Amino acid sequence: GDSVTQMEGPVTLSEEAFLTINCTYTATGYPSLFWYVQYPGEGLQLLLKATKADDKGSNKGFEATYRKETTSFHLEKGSVQVSDSAVYFCALGSNYQLIWGAGTKLIIKP
Amino acid sequence: GAVVSQHPSRVICKSGTSVKIECRSLDFQATTMFWYRQFPKQSLMLMATSNEGSKATYEQGVEKDKFLINHASLTLSTLTVTSAHPEDSSFYICSAGGPGGTDTQYFGPGTRLTVL
Repeated sequence: GDSVTQMEGPVTLSEEAFLTINCTYTATGYPSLFWYVQYPGEGLQLLLKATKADDKGSNKGFEATYRKETTSFHLEKGSVQVSDSAVYFCALGSNYQLIWGAGTKLIIKP
Repeated sequence: GAVVSQHPSRVICKSGTSVKIECRSLDFQATTMFWYRQFPKQSLMLMATSNEGSKATYEQGVEKDKFLINHASLTLSTLTVTSAHPEDSSFYICSAGGPGGTDTQYFGPGTRLTVL
């Protein structure tokens, strides 16, 4: 069945560092791909999405490109801030449901 | 836009009692709502999918008689944990398929259930 694998955390970076959180997927068909973020004490929020191959989703300085050839949807940000500290979830939309990665905790130190 | 609320945000109950959690889409109509459970430091586990006016579809291993789901209107779904036990203690999150198609889900803030 469809599945999502993302890198284990926690990922600890210094402020202004470059961020990559890897996400790969297996799927039949052509799913949509998502990154959700959960800030401490808050609910899940949609960060960005891409609906087809080569689409790039972007929001708040974060980007991810839907790569069909490598079945990947890696999350990147050029310069992270302390306020980016959160748990990030990669997800795949299949048959109107979301299939989730395990989540990656990101810790940004000043 | 696309705001989903949950009530209550936190509930503590005694073992054997039932607890109802409400999920509302505040500014859009949601034909489909989803209920998840999140364990500490773990990802979300989909419990069930509910469509307005019909019975919920439960994931394998989720007891439908224990976790009663009602989706009576396009803006409200409820999850009732019946005869709760300590192992039911968890973080329950609802989401609604909103504008942009049901592959985009908008999440409520979650409900922390503690069963003593």
